[in-house]
Amino acid sequence: DADVTQTPRNRITKTGKRIMLECSQTKGHDRMYWYRQDPGLGLRLIYYSFDVKDINKGEISDGYSVSRQAQAKFSLSLESAIPNQTALYFCATSDPRTSGTYNEQFFGPGTRLTVL
Amino acid sequence: KNEVEQSPQNLTAQEGEFITINCSYSVGISALHWLQQHPGGGIVSLFMLSSGKKKHGRLIATINIQEKHSSLHITASHPRDSAVYICAVNQFYFGTGTSLTVIP
Repeated sequence: DADVTQTPRNRITKTGKRIMLECSQTKGHDRMYWYRQDPGLGLRLIYYSFDVKDINKGEISDGYSVSRQAQAKFSLSLESAIPNQTALYFCATSDPRTSGTYNEQFFGPGTRLTVL
Repeated sequence: KNEVEQSPQNLTAQEGEFITINCSYSVGISALHWLQQHPGGGIVSLFMLSSGKKKHGRLIATINIQEKHSSLHITASHPRDSAVYICAVNQFYFGTGTSLTVIP
């Protein structure tokens, strides 16, 4: 089984709808991240969490919110989806306790979201 | 503003060629990461380094902290190396990727 899973893998929705993307991990890592990937722009950080009580905004948090329900779960919500939120979304985990200062990341398979 | 710049954006090589992908960054780092993204979309970590050089099989990564520059080299390239290679600084800044195609 994959260590980092994302659901759904694909989602098509309409403008104005509320959408939740979920990420679960079995690696026991404290740190979790949400990124979006757009053609020509690379990966951009939306939110990150260093433990259950810690939530931080990334570069492009406007229009998104997150919830860290447990060490293993980190959800991303789009309160009112708009077409320019169409992108590939990745969740990732890391834990410097296990990988030292290098803090290796492990990525989920991605969620392809289309907002019509 | 682009904290991480990669070059080239696209690269086509014949099987067996030596390949170099470059990454320059403008922010302070604790570690620089090289990632590989295959056409299916999945992303895997290839290297993490903060100094010197690392080697895994046919892949070599180097970093020059003073010049804020890293390179990823692939020796004896193979079609299965075809992928997008992404440079990342810490977990916050990512390059736009280099799309590599290796032709048999």
